[in-house]
Amino acid sequence: GNSVTQMEGPVTLSEEAFLTINCTYTATGYPSLFWYVQYPGEGLQLLLKATKADDKGSNKGFEATYRKETTSFHLEKGSVQVSDSAVYFCALSEDRQLTFGSGTQLTVLP
Amino acid sequence: DTAVSQTPKYLVTQMGNDKSIKCEQNLGHDTMYWYKQDSKKFLKIMFSYNNKELIINETVPNRFSPKSPDKAHLNLHINSLELGDSAVYFCASSQGVSTYGSTFGSGTRLTVV
Repeated sequence: GNSVTQMEGPVTLSEEAFLTINCTYTATGYPSLFWYVQYPGEGLQLLLKATKADDKGSNKGFEATYRKETTSFHLEKGSVQVSDSAVYFCALSEDRQLTFGSGTQLTVLP
Repeated sequence: DTAVSQTPKYLVTQMGNDKSIKCEQNLGHDTMYWYKQDSKKFLKIMFSYNNKELIINETVPNRFSPKSPDKAHLNLHINSLELGDSAVYFCASSQGVSTYGSTFGSGTRLTVV
């Protein structure tokens, strides 16, 4: 079956630090890949997506590249802000459903 | 306008009770979902309906019964609530098969005491 593995948290960074959250996946076919963000007390919001190999998704300064050869979709941001503090979920879509990773809590300190 | 709305936002109830959570989407999507998020933030799909037809039914107790009166609504009814049912339940919707991602509601925090 499909699965998504992402780095365990929590991750604590200082403002303006570089962020990487690793995500790897297992799928039988060619899934679409997503990063979702969940701010405290809110639902999940789609942050970015990539639908085929070598696509780069980007939004709000975050980026992730669909790497088929390494089955990875790592999330990066060059300079995090306090407002980026949230839980980040990597996910894939195949066979009519989303499969999520376990989430990574990010805390950015001023 | 809220795209995917769930009610109630918070629900505290005693063991053994029966409760429902309602979900409505105004996006014109044809597929709706229920997810359960446990205390460790892990999200797991429970059900999915496409055009009112059940297409995904993961291994959940049969005390959980989804009901889709139309494409815009997917309600979750839970019988004989147990302590382990305490979690945050998220409704979501998408057009088609989630290829372009789903839109989530803000969640219903269920606490069983």
